[in-house]
Amino acid sequence: DIVMTQSPDSLAVSLGERATINCKSSQSVFYITNNKNSLAWYQQKPGQPPKLLIYWASTRESGVPDRFSGSGSGTDFTLTISSLQAEDVAVYYCQQYYSIPRTFGQGTKVEIK
Amino acid sequence: EVQLIESGGGLVQPGGSLRLSCAASGFTFSTYTMNWVRQAPGKGLEWLSYITSTSNTIYYADSVKGRFTISRDNAKNSLYLQMNSLRAEDTAIYYCARSLPHFDYWGQGTLVTVSS
Repeated sequence: DIVMTQSPDSLAVSLGERATINCKSSQSVFYITNNKNSLAWYQQKPGQPPKLLIYWASTRESGVPDRFSGSGSGTDFTLTISSLQAEDVAVYYCQQYYSIPRTFGQGTKVEIK
Repeated sequence: EVQLIESGGGLVQPGGSLRLSCAASGFTFSTYTMNWVRQAPGKGLEWLSYITSTSNTIYYADSVKGRFTISRDNAKNSLYLQMNSLRAEDTAIYYCARSLPHFDYWGQGTLVTVSS
């Protein structure tokens, strides 16, 4: 199984400042067939289901604000919120869809400092 | 508008069974792979099972293999999860999610509580 490890577990960032979340996979999730990394990021607010933010490691889902961006390749990935807004308070998860079982990181809680 | 609506959750005793349903609308259900994912109270996300559009390929997480069965009825635009031999550790919110293969749409979830 591919283990996904996020860091940090939580972070507090001032409004308007940058938030950075890291995700490391225990093996590469680079899919040679389409030359893309099989890595997604989700946002989950309290009492709500997860919401897709980023897929193929760096493609922003339609409707997601451009302050959210994804980067990385192979085994190391990053979700960046360039200017934190109050509505971004949530738990963020990375997920690999390279292989079965699909696996998620443990989550990173983002709060306002 | 894509909608996924889960139902069938509730309180069940250890060793009991439940059947969850996920009603899909707003897209051509019969052409998409679907998944079940759960989230224990205060915990992270755990993928459980995957079924392709024609049901010809099915996978399970080791934690539920042999106890849970995924199925679908494309004529009814519905996804199912039959859960047998339930344990306290199966207590969670259960979500259905559409695969692209990333999970682009999720239902609101249905709560399953396993307790005596």
